[in-house]
Amino acid sequence: LAKTTQPISMDSYEGQEVNITCSHNNIATNDYITWYQQFPSQGPRFIIQGYKTKVTNEVASLFIPADRKSSTLSLPRVSLSDTAVYYCLVGDSPYNAGNMLTFGGGTRLMVKP
Amino acid sequence: NAGVTQTPKFQVLKTGQSMTLQCAQDMNHNSMYWYRQDPGMGLRLIYYSASEGTTDKGEVPNGYNVSRLNKREFSLRLESAAPSQTSVYFCASSGSNTGELFFGEGSRLTVL
Repeated sequence: LAKTTQPISMDSYEGQEVNITCSHNNIATNDYITWYQQFPSQGPRFIIQGYKTKVTNEVASLFIPADRKSSTLSLPRVSLSDTAVYYCLVGDSPYNAGNMLTFGGGTRLMVKP
Repeated sequence: NAGVTQTPKFQVLKTGQSMTLQCAQDMNHNSMYWYRQDPGMGLRLIYYSASEGTTDKGEVPNGYNVSRLNKREFSLRLESAAPSQTSVYFCASSGSNTGELFFGEGSRLTVL
């Protein structure tokens, strides 16, 4: 299993762009990178998933360099409601059922007014 | 659609008691998972099930058993609860087309 390393916490201000980097040095060829968001007392929620280069959706962008040993979640113009814990997961192709999907410690993002 | 439903939402047990956490999903997903989350910590995988009839150990399986009753339901059993099992338990499911995990609201368990 590819182990992931993220910063424990980050602070930002409303309106700023936030970039959270995840390190996954032993990522395998079949592994995808997925990010989740978790609010207190709730289960995590899917944000974005990618394999290489750049992926963008309505809430975030995911940047993956060519060597795929790290990835960066980018949140544009954060608001107070983006205060949450963000998890990076690395796992086998999502098209293969029943992968052992493990979460690391996550990054606690605090957005200040 | 309800998504992933967990019961009970709250439970207090005494050391040595047993209980079963129930999880059901209505999204026709093949894979289901049980995680635990201790205060201020990340999620740790207890057991998972790739499909009906199969189960596999995760990172922290000791003290737990699971049953994949059918495609919809995946239960987690504590045979003899210990204070170290005080945690919030999350059930999740995923379909094979995207791999996205869908989580339940969690079951908060306290063992005295």
